[in-house]
Amino acid sequence: NAGVTQTPKFRVLKTGQSMTLLCAQDMNHEYMYWYRQDPGMGLRLIHYSVGEGTTAKGEVPDGYNVSRLKKQNFLLGLESAAPSQTSVYFCASSYGQQETQYFGPGTRLLVL
Amino acid sequence: AQTVTQSQPEMSVQEAETVTLSCTYDTSESDYYLFWYKQPPSRQMILVIRQEAYKQQNATENRFSVNFQKAAKSFSLKISDSQLGDAAMYFCAYRSQYLSRGSQGNLIFGKGTKLSVKP
Repeated sequence: NAGVTQTPKFRVLKTGQSMTLLCAQDMNHEYMYWYRQDPGMGLRLIHYSVGEGTTAKGEVPDGYNVSRLKKQNFLLGLESAAPSQTSVYFCASSYGQQETQYFGPGTRLLVL
Repeated sequence: AQTVTQSQPEMSVQEAETVTLSCTYDTSESDYYLFWYKQPPSRQMILVIRQEAYKQQNATENRFSVNFQKAAKSFSLKISDSQLGDAAMYFCAYRSQYLSRGSQGNLIFGKGTKLSVKP
């Protein structure tokens, strides 16, 4: 039981490049979330999903897209990376809306 | 909108001593959850303790306990017998109980408190 995993762990992008961050969970959780963590800002919600095939916007969704084609996977895409997207990205999942969220180890992204 | 405030950017404690981290929150809801997460240098977010607002009894997990004051909207974390491995960033977080009331089900985090443990 690996819990929540994220790939890659670290990535450097040039402005304008695109990439996809992958989150996978093996706990059969319905809910999945993408957060970003910036210095002095705590974590903020980017997008979330309440089940396979569903996604919704969070607090800071601009510049990101997501997909949940399979229940266990939640992908976060950057179509045209900007330096403002330099951050640490965390994925989390929970069985239900009232259940505890479990976090992945994070992906550190640097956009030059 | 709900907000979470951690007024102590940094705290320090001597090994084996007790330390209390403060957290206050603002909400108009009556049903919600509160959490403390620990983030060590590895960046992994680890759940320390969880409190349901409808429960009057303070949650405890081994050396970790909370002082939940619902009327004062205060949720402090007490770490007893501090250990070197307790050194980390600690985040207080809030979550609404009901998705249908406009909540996205996400956690709303404070900015964190960096705890150092001195040997």
